[in-house]
Amino acid sequence: DAGVTQSPTHLIKTRGQQVTLRCSPKSGHDTVSWYQQALGQGPQFIFQYYEEEERQRGNFPDRFSGHQFPNYSSELNVNALLLGDSALYLCASSPGTGVYYGYTFGSGTRLTVV
Amino acid sequence: GNSVTQMEGPVTLSEEAFLTINCTYTATGYPSLFWYVQYPGEGLQLLLKATKADDKGSNKGFEATYRKETTSFHLEKGSVQVSDSAVYFCALSALGLRGNNRLAFGKGNQVVVIP
Repeated sequence: DAGVTQSPTHLIKTRGQQVTLRCSPKSGHDTVSWYQQALGQGPQFIFQYYEEEERQRGNFPDRFSGHQFPNYSSELNVNALLLGDSALYLCASSPGTGVYYGYTFGSGTRLTVV
Repeated sequence: GNSVTQMEGPVTLSEEAFLTINCTYTATGYPSLFWYVQYPGEGLQLLLKATKADDKGSNKGFEATYRKETTSFHLEKGSVQVSDSAVYFCALSALGLRGNNRLAFGKGNQVVVIP
């Protein structure tokens, strides 16, 4: 049973560009959350999608946007990249609320902005 | 809001030593508590969880007890191995009025086990 799959694993972008990261949740999971993990820090919540809608959002600017597709997969888009956007971006999935079941994380996408 | 505090600094210890990593939390609603582990270059793996007060989560020799009276969820292992070297994150998720079930993480503790 495949877990959470993220692509690409690494990418390098130039300041001002736009980037799209992709996530396929674990089979049977319908909720997808995105987190940003700066080097040496704990992950920070970006937003969560359920039934193709953004259900809640963390303290991130509108440059960060997302989408969830009918098959529950999700995309994270970041516009007008800044150097400070360099981080590991983690996708997590859960069956409904993850409060009781926990969340399954992917291996992440390492984004470097130069 | 919900928050998690982990003890400061890395933890270095010898193989077969006893490991404790402290974690305290502040939460509204009805929090569940988690420990996640991150090996170098990888994502997060759920190590253990507890969903109500006095529950004890356990996995791979690690244990943590949900203490509501002290708002704590300390991680322990009786005899660590070199393969336990990783970063450990304490986290909580609370089912509030708005389904605010996002994970709030502590800053993490780097654990280094020396042979």
